[in-house]
Amino acid sequence: AQKITQTQPGMFVQEKEAVTLDCTYDTSDPSYGLFWYKQPSSGEMIFLIYQGSYDQQNATEGRYSLNFQKARKSANLVISASQLGDSAMYFCAMREGGGGATNKLIFGTGTLLAVQP
Amino acid sequence: DAGVTQSPTHLIKTRGQHVTLRCSPISGHKSVSWYQQVLGQGPQFIFQYYEKEERGRGNFPDRFSARQFPNYSSELNVNALLLGDSALYLCASSFQGDSYEQYFGPGTRLTVT
Repeated sequence: AQKITQTQPGMFVQEKEAVTLDCTYDTSDPSYGLFWYKQPSSGEMIFLIYQGSYDQQNATEGRYSLNFQKARKSANLVISASQLGDSAMYFCAMREGGGGATNKLIFGTGTLLAVQP
Repeated sequence: DAGVTQSPTHLIKTRGQHVTLRCSPISGHKSVSWYQQVLGQGPQFIFQYYEKEERGRGNFPDRFSARQFPNYSSELNVNALLLGDSALYLCASSFQGDSYEQYFGPGTRLTVT
């Protein structure tokens, strides 16, 4: 069954330190994509990073990197040099299927990150 | 360019009433998806429309319906509102029906009393 699991309801990190947010997924489709979104208190979902199931290298976008371990079905988000503005809810999501599939995203329950000065 | 816009921002309805939520995609985007986010949970997929056709439907009752207009804007309609329909309703747009890049709007917060 399609499922995203985020086991950390909340995390604290000191400013300027790195933090890892965990995500595991379950799918039987060999073609899928994994996403991380940030949701501030305003509610808007902000796209952070994407990893395709066939990508050989881990995705990176600025201070964000995705630690993709296909055999373990995990896609952890690493935020380097945390900033106060990183305090938000973070969601891991999955889209199954390649070209021609729907845009349907399956989300986890989220991790609330608090960056402390 | 403007991002995805949604209206209204907030609204309060009574049980049994009907509600219409609106979404305007980013200019040039042809696909709109709707999600429901109940407090404390991740968003759940309701519908996707691409080129005015329904492309995907989530596990929601028939009280939920949607449509997409020739200008690619979209409406989500919910009939016979229940208390459990109280949620943040998010709209996401993408250029194509199977694009991995989706851009979300700010959402409409619906409260049913």
